[in-house]
Amino acid sequence: ETGVTQSPTHLIKTRGQQVTLRCSSQSGHNTVSWYQQALGQGPQFIFQYYREEENGRGNFPPRFSGLQFPNYSSELNVNALELDDSALYLCASSSDRNYGYTFGSGTRLTVV
Amino acid sequence: AQSVTQPDIHITVSEGASLELRCNYSYGATPYLFWYVQSPGQGLQLLLKYFSGDTLVQGIKGFEAEFKRSQSSFNLRKPSVHWSDAAEYFCAVVLTGGGNKLTFGTGTQLKVEL
Repeated sequence: ETGVTQSPTHLIKTRGQQVTLRCSSQSGHNTVSWYQQALGQGPQFIFQYYREEENGRGNFPPRFSGLQFPNYSSELNVNALELDDSALYLCASSSDRNYGYTFGSGTRLTVV
Repeated sequence: AQSVTQPDIHITVSEGASLELRCNYSYGATPYLFWYVQSPGQGLQLLLKYFSGDTLVQGIKGFEAEFKRSQSSFNLRKPSVHWSDAAEYFCAVVLTGGGNKLTFGTGTQLKVEL
């Protein structure tokens, strides 16, 4: 059983640029959630996708958007990057049959 | 306001000593409760979870947690800490009927002295 994998592990972007982060969910999981974890903070919910549809959104502006694909993998896109977007971005997958969340190791985004 | 509170930002214990990390929640109903551990630069690993039933929950790595409804608490405990337990610990909740959104506390950083 494979876990949740995220790519890339690290990246550096310039303010104003756009970035795409990727997540492959655990086998058998059809729900993917994205979280932003700023340094020294707990993760904050960005949004969730269930069977390719957005299924809940946290307090993040529209420049944070996402996709879920038929194989349940997912992308997080962030436009017009700001310095405060620097954080660890975590992806978590789960099955609609239980609340077992499996997290990936995250993507460390630095905006300069 | 609905929230999850971890009152201890940092805790230092000696190896072999017992450990208790505190978590309180403020919600109208009992949520589903979780404890996660995060090593530096890593993702989150689930230690244990409580949905209903027995209020003492056993988890991985020798951890346990006790749900106390009267105190709105879900404290994490370990009888004897190992140096490898040094990490950051997060309490999290999911509101029943509120989808799969996890709401996290701000975390407790555990340091273990040898």
